[in-house]
Amino acid sequence: DIQMTQSPSSLSASVGDRVTITCRASQGFSNALAWFQQKPGEVPKLLIYAASTLQSGVPSRFSGSGSGTDFTLTISSLQPEDVATYYCQKYNDGPLTFGGGTKVEIK
Amino acid sequence: QVTLTESGPVLVKPTETLTLTCTVSGFSLSNGGVGVSWIRQPPGQALEWLAHIFSSGRKSYKTSLNSRLTISKDTSKSQVVLTVTNMDPLDTATYYCSRIVEGVTSNGFDIWGQGTMVTVSS
Repeated sequence: DIQMTQSPSSLSASVGDRVTITCRASQGFSNALAWFQQKPGEVPKLLIYAASTLQSGVPSRFSGSGSGTDFTLTISSLQPEDVATYYCQKYNDGPLTFGGGTKVEIK
Repeated sequence: QVTLTESGPVLVKPTETLTLTCTVSGFSLSNGGVGVSWIRQPPGQALEWLAHIFSSGRKSYKTSLNSRLTISKDTSKSQVVLTVTNMDPLDTATYYCSRIVEGVTSNGFDIWGQGTMVTVSS
């Protein structure tokens, strides 16, 4: 199975900061990479698909990039409502693995 | 409106078999080019993908759990069923089902059920 490794596992940043989360795959694959946001007690919410396409209704401060084995989720200006855990997932074929998650907190 | 609803037992005993049902509405499991996955999340832990059934009926499983998992679908009932054999307390988790529209223009797992919490305890 392709393993998806996220870093960091947690981070603390100030409101307005630029935040970057990375997701590295153990093998390269297509751009079928999604990012989810999960707030405590809630269902995961799709933020980005195809590595860089913003899901409808998601604020434009969220963006994704990358290809092959290295992918990035960026929050351009962190807001209090962005406190959550973020997960990457490959969804093209075979085991549809999630990354281990990155917990984002406000400093 | 697209919805997925998980159902199943709240409590199972160790060694028992868990059967979970995902009932979908707003799309077809038979000819809509849509697949469904089961994902779980132990309390305080990360999401873990378990199994997927494609619109074609092809199936894929998490390799380390392959021997314990079976996914199937009943298109007439709009249901996707997951069975997990030989349940262990470590299988205690919230179990979600989610759908994906297949193809090159797929936007991934866009709709999720609310999840069902399963506790394994004697």
